[in-house]
Amino acid sequence: DAKTTQPPSMDCAEGRAANLPCNHSTISGNEYVYWYRQIHSQGPQYIIHGLKNNETNEMASLIITEDRKSSTLILPHATLRDTAVYYCIVRVVSGNQFYFGTGTSLTVIP
Amino acid sequence: EADIYQTPRYLVIGTGKKITLECSQTMGHDKMYWYQQDPGMELHLIHYSYGVNSTEKGDLSSESTVSRIRTEHFPLTLESARPSHTSQYLCASSAYLPDQGPADTQYFGPGTRLTVL
Repeated sequence: DAKTTQPPSMDCAEGRAANLPCNHSTISGNEYVYWYRQIHSQGPQYIIHGLKNNETNEMASLIITEDRKSSTLILPHATLRDTAVYYCIVRVVSGNQFYFGTGTSLTVIP
Repeated sequence: EADIYQTPRYLVIGTGKKITLECSQTMGHDKMYWYQQDPGMELHLIHYSYGVNSTEKGDLSSESTVSRIRTEHFPLTLESARPSHTSQYLCASSAYLPDQGPADTQYFGPGTRLTVL
């Protein structure tokens, strides 16, 4: 599975959009981009995933560049409860596990 | 959102004891996984199963064992707990999401925080 690079930490003001970047320059054509978050050492929570097209659900939006070498997770209106470690993962469908890496620690500031 | 349960949530136990960490899911998922995570560190896969009577070891070597006798149940056992086993253990399950293609999203339980004295 391809490696990902994320900034170790970010801050975001409450109510503003949080934009979390991820680089995955070695991604291959059959690898999906997944985003999870982990709040205070609870079990990781699935957020969103995509292959080529931008995706949106009730939690977030995922923007994938045309060359698929990077992506951005957007939380449109961050709340204090969005403070967590966010993991960007690329993975083939047939893979056994998700390689979570160290993620980005997002702090939402009141 | 998948329903996946782990018990106990917290366990403090003495060295040499045998322990079993329980994991159950009610979604009928074929695939189940056990990860280990130390505080502030990455998750590491220690066991996985693709279905009943199927178990495999993950990338991280572990002295624990698992069994999969029923689809919904994937317990993890340590025959003789040691302080080096102190960690958080996370269970997950997955199935294909047919309406979104073969994406195989994993859903996690709340975890069991194990402390071996």
